[in-house]
Amino acid sequence: GNSVTQMEGPVTLSEEAFLTINCTYTATGYPSLFWYVQYPGEGLQLLLKATKADDKGSNKGFEATYRKETTSFHLEKGSVQVSDSAVYFCALADAYNQGGKLIFGQGTELSVKP
Amino acid sequence: ETGVTQTPRHLVMGMTNKKSLKCEQHLGHNAMYWYKQSAKKPLELMFVYNFKEQTENNSVPSRFSPECPNSSHLFLHLHTLQPEDSALYLCASSQEGDSLYNEQFFGPGTRLTVL
Repeated sequence: GNSVTQMEGPVTLSEEAFLTINCTYTATGYPSLFWYVQYPGEGLQLLLKATKADDKGSNKGFEATYRKETTSFHLEKGSVQVSDSAVYFCALADAYNQGGKLIFGQGTELSVKP
Repeated sequence: ETGVTQTPRHLVMGMTNKKSLKCEQHLGHNAMYWYKQSAKKPLELMFVYNFKEQTENNSVPSRFSPECPNSSHLFLHLHTLQPEDSALYLCASSQEGDSLYNEQFFGPGTRLTVL
């Protein structure tokens, strides 16, 4: 079945450091890929998405490129801020095989220090 | 109110209590979801409702009982819970049928503690 694997956290960085959070997926169809973010005490918010191979999703300085050849969707940001401290979830939705339901990774906690 | 709201935000209950979680979406969506978020585990999809009909029940114990009276409201009725049911319960909604994928909008969650 479909699944998502993320790098384990927590990830601790200094402000202005470069961020990469790895995400790989297994899917039998042609999934759409997502990154959600959960700030402390809040629900999940969609951060960015990509619906087909080689698409790049971007938002708030974060980027992720849908790589079909490596089945990856790594999240990157060039210069993190303290306000980026949150839990980041990679997810996929496969409309043809699982009715478009979201399959989440386990989440990666990011802590950014001043 | 905008988006997806959940009440209460925090709930502490004993194992013999009966309580209900409420979710309301103000987005005009036709699908609603309950998820369970436990520490260091992926989100677990519990129930899905499309057009008020339950379409998914992921082997959830019967001590959790969902109710969807209309497309804007979703409840999760709780009774005789166990301490391991302590978690953050998230509600989400989406518009089914518009595209190949469903962007889900989440509420802030109810933090449940079972003593």
